[in-house]
Amino acid sequence: EDKVVQSPLSLVVHEGDTVTLNCSYEVTNFRSLLWYKQEKKAPTFLFMLTSSGIEKKSGRLSSILDKKELSSILNITATQTGDSAIYLCAVGRRSSGAGSYQLTFGKGTKLSVIP
Amino acid sequence: EAGVTQFPSHSVIEKGQTVTLRCDPISGHDNLYWYRRVMGKEIKFLLHFVKESKQDESGMPNNRFLAERTGGTYSTLKVQPAELEDSGVYFCASSWTRGSDTQYFGPGTRLTVL
Repeated sequence: EDKVVQSPLSLVVHEGDTVTLNCSYEVTNFRSLLWYKQEKKAPTFLFMLTSSGIEKKSGRLSSILDKKELSSILNITATQTGDSAIYLCAVGRRSSGAGSYQLTFGKGTKLSVIP
Repeated sequence: EAGVTQFPSHSVIEKGQTVTLRCDPISGHDNLYWYRRVMGKEIKFLLHFVKESKQDESGMPNNRFLAERTGGTYSTLKVQPAELEDSGVYFCASSWTRGSDTQYFGPGTRLTVL
């Protein structure tokens, strides 16, 4: 059965710290790996990774995919209280049926940034 | 550009009743997905529409769940009759074209079955 495992499940850091969130997967028909940030309601899209070893960056956030190790990391540098959220890792795979595609999620990492 | 919207935000019903959830995708998005998160578990795929056609409904739990997308715009997910284990947060997501991997999520509908 396909699975996505995130670690740690929960993390508490002080403002200014750097954090690394981990995601590993065992998924058939892999197409992409996505990171989302969920603060209160809707998960908001952060990154989509398809190629191994190519880092994607957006401000203080960056992410990289390792297809050999079947894993990805999300780095947040100089954390701020506004970074407090649940970070979700999802793997996109082609499911049975022509043209069908779905995301398999991990349970998420809850990040709390304290002043 | 408006994001994915869902209605209602929260619904509380009794076991055996019927509930209908609605999702309005981002305008122009052909792909519409339903997901569900049961407490303590990860978000799980329910089904995928391309326009008005069901492309994949392999994640639907049982025949008490019926999803429709008449006209290829908004979608509804009806649960009839609701059971206690149906409680959870139901998310809708949409994406641009077939094969586009980035899905944009709505805020979810929290369903509580008493």
